[in-house]
Amino acid sequence: SSDLTQDPTVSVALGQTVRITCQGDSLRNFYASWYQQKPGQAPVLLIYGKNKRPSGIPDRFSGSSSGRTASLTITGAQAEDEADYYCNSRDSRGHHVGVFGTGTQVTVL
Amino acid sequence: QVQLQESGPGLVKPSETLSVTCTVSGGSFSGYYWSWIRQPPGKGLEWIGYVDHSGGTIFSPSLRSRVSISLDTSGTQFSLFLTSMTAADTAVYYCARTSYDFWSGQIYIWFDSWGQGTLVTVSS
Repeated sequence: SSDLTQDPTVSVALGQTVRITCQGDSLRNFYASWYQQKPGQAPVLLIYGKNKRPSGIPDRFSGSSSGRTASLTITGAQAEDEADYYCNSRDSRGHHVGVFGTGTQVTVL
Repeated sequence: QVQLQESGPGLVKPSETLSVTCTVSGGSFSGYYWSWIRQPPGKGLEWIGYVDHSGGTIFSPSLRSRVSISLDTSGTQFSLFLTSMTAADTAVYYCARTSYDFWSGQIYIWFDSWGQGTLVTVSS
């Protein structure tokens, strides 16, 4: 079992808002980063630190955290947002870096 | 803009050692760590480990006994070595530039640039 758990699938209507969650004990104390992966492509960094976006990432992507849950919110989902999304942080004890969440497949209806 | 490109053997026999190299262009090695991440077909991402600009390494506990990562002295390449390969190691192997910061005395990393990945299949 993974130290960071995500819902396997989420769907959202075009133009609506969707929240993708990542749960794990380490998230009480450590930031999560978020990645988008489209079929046959490498992942792309969306969010890191306290809701920071790399240049070129649309501002419809935002990150937040509360307790043991980190969230990635897509406000006004576009067709091109249909992809897999992964969080990354530390293991449950906070000892080891680089742990990925189980991944969420987002479908835009 | 930094670019990363993996090169690997494509096919590895069981029990052999995998060697994959990442060539970095358009950016400096210093100030970053350099990671390897893999993804079995149809499955999720798994971080393998990273090397810093001085050659120091940190590995995932689950792979620590079989993995090493080295930095080329030319400062343009780094390589992954994974011993005792089995079918479970079949995956796309990605290299990634890894940024870092510190929060409450603990390091925090994120992967800001990725290579396109190279598929490695373990089969006799």
